[in-house]
Amino acid sequence: EIVLMQSPGTLSLSPGERATLSCRASQSVVSDDLAWYQQKPGQTPRLFIYGASNRATGIPDRFSGRGSGTDFTLTISRLEPEDFAVYYCQQYGSPPYTFGQGTKVEI
Amino acid sequence: QVQLVESGGGVVQPGGSLRLSCAASGFTFRSYGMHWVRQAPGKGLQWVAFIRYDGTKEYYADSVKGRFTISRDNSKHTVHLQMNSLTTEDTALYYCAKASPLDDWGQGTLVTVSS
Repeated sequence: EIVLMQSPGTLSLSPGERATLSCRASQSVVSDDLAWYQQKPGQTPRLFIYGASNRATGIPDRFSGRGSGTDFTLTISRLEPEDFAVYYCQQYGSPPYTFGQGTKVEI
Repeated sequence: QVQLVESGGGVVQPGGSLRLSCAASGFTFRSYGMHWVRQAPGKGLQWVAFIRYDGTKEYYADSVKGRFTISRDNSKHTVHLQMNSLTTEDTALYYCAKASPLDDWGQGTLVTVSS
């Protein structure tokens, strides 16, 4: 089983600042099949990034993903008020399709 | 548009069973694999199970293997999760989700395991 470790657990930033979230895998993620999801309180998760670096439909270009193998990053270039949420990475390359524990981006 | 509607949640005693269902619409159901993901109260997302588009392959998280069974009926556009030998650790909101990556999610159905 691939274990995903996200850091930091909580990121305290202000609107307009840059956010960098890390997701590290215990072994190489097959085909870089790594996704990022956003979840706001009381809402369902929403796919933001897939294939490590591809934005899902409707996701603004201030969100970018990069990385390969075992190290992946989600960057939000300039935080907007609606970006404050919890972000999860998930590998879907080899079962079991594990999630990281999440990073909370807070004001 | 894609709709995924879960049902079947409720309160069950430890050791009991529940069968969750997810009704899908708005896409070609038989062409997509389907997942179940759960979220315990105040906790993160935990992937539970996956079934291939044609039902020929299933995968499970270690924590549910041997107790949970995922199945699908492509003629009825539904996916199910049979949950047996439930423990308090299974208390969570259970989501069904479409495809890999998980690009559409239902609203979830709440399962509470309590005596």
